[in-house]
Amino acid sequence: GENVEQHPSTLSVQEGDSAVIKCTYSDSASNYFPWYKQELGKRPQLIIDIRSNVGEKKDQRIAVTLNKTAKHFSLHITETQPEDSAVYFCAASKPKTSYDKVIFGPGTSLSVIP
Amino acid sequence: DTEVTQTPKHLVMGMTNKKSLKCEQHMGHRAMYWYKQKAKKPPELMFVYSYEKLSINESVPSRFSPECPNSSLLNLHLHALQPEDSALYLCASSRQWNVYTEAFFGQGTRLTVV
Repeated sequence: GENVEQHPSTLSVQEGDSAVIKCTYSDSASNYFPWYKQELGKRPQLIIDIRSNVGEKKDQRIAVTLNKTAKHFSLHITETQPEDSAVYFCAASKPKTSYDKVIFGPGTSLSVIP
Repeated sequence: DTEVTQTPKHLVMGMTNKKSLKCEQHMGHRAMYWYKQKAKKPPELMFVYSYEKLSINESVPSRFSPECPNSSLLNLHLHALQPEDSALYLCASSRQWNVYTEAFFGQGTRLTVV
């Protein structure tokens, strides 16, 4: 089955600096890679996703890159703000006829220091 | 309406009790999920319902019994739980007809088994 690894497990940055979180996946058939942000005591929420036919996607301060050959994908947050502090989960899934089974990475706890 | 609503928000139950967790969505999603999340861990898939039929049971003990009475509702019936079952139980839903689907999570039920 699919296995998703994520690094680092914790990340601390100064406000305004950039943060990068890296993930690898094992199943070459996976083709959808969402990133979820979970603030303390809150639900996971999708912040950005990328499909395997795209190498890079950007949404304001957040960008995701995908290297299908190496089975790597990364989240980049620029100009970090204290409200970016949360746990970030990468995930991978394969297409199914009626549902997606999303496999999450172990998470990265990001702290943005004011 | 992009909400997945879970009740109750908190639940404390004894090991001999029977209780139920409820989840509701009105987005027309035809896939619904139960996840279990322990502290500082990623969500762990338990069950997937597709078109009101159980499609995936991730080898979950029988003391957890899911039910999907209709396309908007998902229940999780609990009986004879153990203290190690204490966790945040998350419900999620996603569209069926789109290969690349975002999972919308509810706020979760924080369960404590005493």
